[in-house]
Amino acid sequence: EADIYQTPRYLVIGTGKKITLECSQTMGHDKMYWYQQDPGMELHLIHYSYGVNSTEKGDLSSESTVSRIRTEHFPLTLESARPSHTSQYLCASSESGQGRMSYEQYFGPGTRLTVT
Amino acid sequence: KNQVEQSPQSLIILEGKNCTLQCNYTVSPFSNLRWYKQDTGRGPVSLTIMTFSENTKSNGRYTATLDADTKQSSLHITASQLSDSASYICVVSDRGSTLGRLYFGRGTQLTVWP
Repeated sequence: EADIYQTPRYLVIGTGKKITLECSQTMGHDKMYWYQQDPGMELHLIHYSYGVNSTEKGDLSSESTVSRIRTEHFPLTLESARPSHTSQYLCASSESGQGRMSYEQYFGPGTRLTVT
Repeated sequence: KNQVEQSPQSLIILEGKNCTLQCNYTVSPFSNLRWYKQDTGRGPVSLTIMTFSENTKSNGRYTATLDADTKQSSLHITASQLSDSASYICVVSDRGSTLGRLYFGRGTQLTVWP
């Protein structure tokens, strides 16, 4: 079992609310990622980070923002939630490899977000 | 376009039976291929990872194969158990970027009946 945690596990919230999804890992990994996954669909990368103070947008355009002030913490924020944001959000982390080798990604349990 | 296609989309088998899941990919340049198991409402958990030079890897009752020439992989599950019911996701990594971008398939939803 990987040491990566997400809270809350489930969240139902009304349109227009600001929300923050928490993700933390205790493995000392430099790289962290946020994915969005709809039922029966593939995971889509929405944000990633190489380390503290580093954040980049992923393949899928997202209205969310992220921050990386501490190595172990990578929160995702939605300033104004909308029903189109309803999805499962998965956080992951990995070691930094030498060269371009991609290392094992360890996933958190996910947050199921429903915006009404 | 880099893609990962999995088949079948869903599969139902009886407990104790074997099954094989398929994955075809077009990701290039290829770095490695992983199979993940994702239980409902949980994050994916890695089962196997194979690089270009490896053509088979086992993890208990799970055996993955890789044919890098035809860009195909399979995951064979032996003597299935009820706990094997999950989505099995094929993930391919490229080596064309520092990030080591991952390309995900949509998964095969496996249901094991008693």
